[in-house]
Amino acid sequence: QVQLVQSGAEVKKPGASVRVSCKASGYTFTSYNINWVRQATGQGLEWMGWMNPNSGDTGYAQKFQGRVTMTRDTSITTAYMELRSLRSEDTAVYYCARNFGVAANDYWGQGTLVTVSS
Amino acid sequence: QSALTQPASVSGSPGQSITISCTGTSSDVGGYNYVSWYQQCPGKAPKLMIYDVTKRPSGVFNRFSGSKSGNTASLTISGLQAEDEADYYCSSYTSSTHVLFGGGTKLTVL
Repeated sequence: QVQLVQSGAEVKKPGASVRVSCKASGYTFTSYNINWVRQATGQGLEWMGWMNPNSGDTGYAQKFQGRVTMTRDTSITTAYMELRSLRSEDTAVYYCARNFGVAANDYWGQGTLVTVSS
Repeated sequence: QSALTQPASVSGSPGQSITISCTGTSSDVGGYNYVSWYQQCPGKAPKLMIYDVTKRPSGVFNRFSGSKSGNTASLTISGLQAEDEADYYCSSYTSSTHVLFGGGTKLTVL
């Protein structure tokens, strides 16, 4: 069965970077794009960007341009999202999700809580 | 780009039907047939309920249906059940930012 398993919770200080991993299994990793979506506590969903695991191509939401990098390691079917220059407003649960079709996400990771606090 | 517009909350009694709207622009909802709907229960990851405006993934009950008219998409849940109580989010492909989500709607089953 398709599974996306994310790395554990992180606590970071303002200005630091965080890297969240997303281990895919149960399907051909290079056949589906991975999207990253975040959700601040009590808030809505916010799309951050996409990555093509086959080519490594990426596309980022303008809000995160210059601060986010999405990569992958196909040998271990794992996608990564690195966010730099963290600020308190980046405190949120970060999800990876498998892209289905043009703009839908059919399988989601369990989420990774990133807390930014001094 | 601003989020798609959804009502903050809707409610209905068991057995009734409810509709949640999702309003965008001609650059997103109105311009493409790529609207999706997600159900999110507290503390859980979102679950895909509708994609490409009207299509249901396997395993999603046919009580859930989607539609679109102009710049507004809608999710209708018929035969409302207690377990449908959750937050619902729409999303759309956009010409500028690729994907845009709605602000979310809290569904309460009375």
